[in-house]
Amino acid sequence: DGGITQSPKYLFRKEGQNVTLSCEQNLNHDAMYWYRQDPGQGLRLIYYSQIVNDFQKGDIAEGYSVSREKKESFPLTVTSAQKNPTAFYLCATTGIYSNQPQHFGDGTRLSIL
Amino acid sequence: SQKIEQNSEALNIQEGKTATLTCNYTNYSPAYLQWYRQDPGRGPVFLLLIRENEKEKRKERLKVTFDTTLKQSLFHITASQPADSATYLCALTHGSSNTGKLIFGQGTTLQVKP
Repeated sequence: DGGITQSPKYLFRKEGQNVTLSCEQNLNHDAMYWYRQDPGQGLRLIYYSQIVNDFQKGDIAEGYSVSREKKESFPLTVTSAQKNPTAFYLCATTGIYSNQPQHFGDGTRLSIL
Repeated sequence: SQKIEQNSEALNIQEGKTATLTCNYTNYSPAYLQWYRQDPGRGPVFLLLIRENEKEKRKERLKVTFDTTLKQSLFHITASQPADSATYLCALTHGSSNTGKLIFGQGTTLQVKP
């Protein structure tokens, strides 16, 4: 089945630790996005990538990093510089046209130990 | 600054009634408006897209309206069912944006009681 796979579903981070969230897609979509969702808030854009080897900061990029070495993969690293990382992280993809809907994975819930 | 507002309070309705959810925006001229459904612990799922030159869009029991003068979209679910209970998000894209970036509202939670 075509889709987006996020892993792990739950992740725990210790103080001073970097953690990486995985996002893999087999929809052959060019654009990929990372969002953060906090309770009672909308999705906020962290980073996005429209093409391999290129990515752009979103509205809340500080404390996060990404890479896009393959079309299928867009991993997100939550660094120790992100002081409030507890949230629900969502990865999405879309085709080349800006009016196309986004397809989402089922998220990773990150908590602090 | 650009702002999207959805009713933060949960909407509780009886099964069979029509649910109406509101999405208001300011300081923004969206070319497209989208509605998504999100279940607890899951990612959002796309429902409907409406363009700025369309007044209304329908899909089965769903209807979306888009009033660019009022800067408002209404999302209706007719003959609502308990299975429609979820959080509904509206999202906008800017007319000049070619990045596909969306700006999301905070969502409205709908509870349909049997």
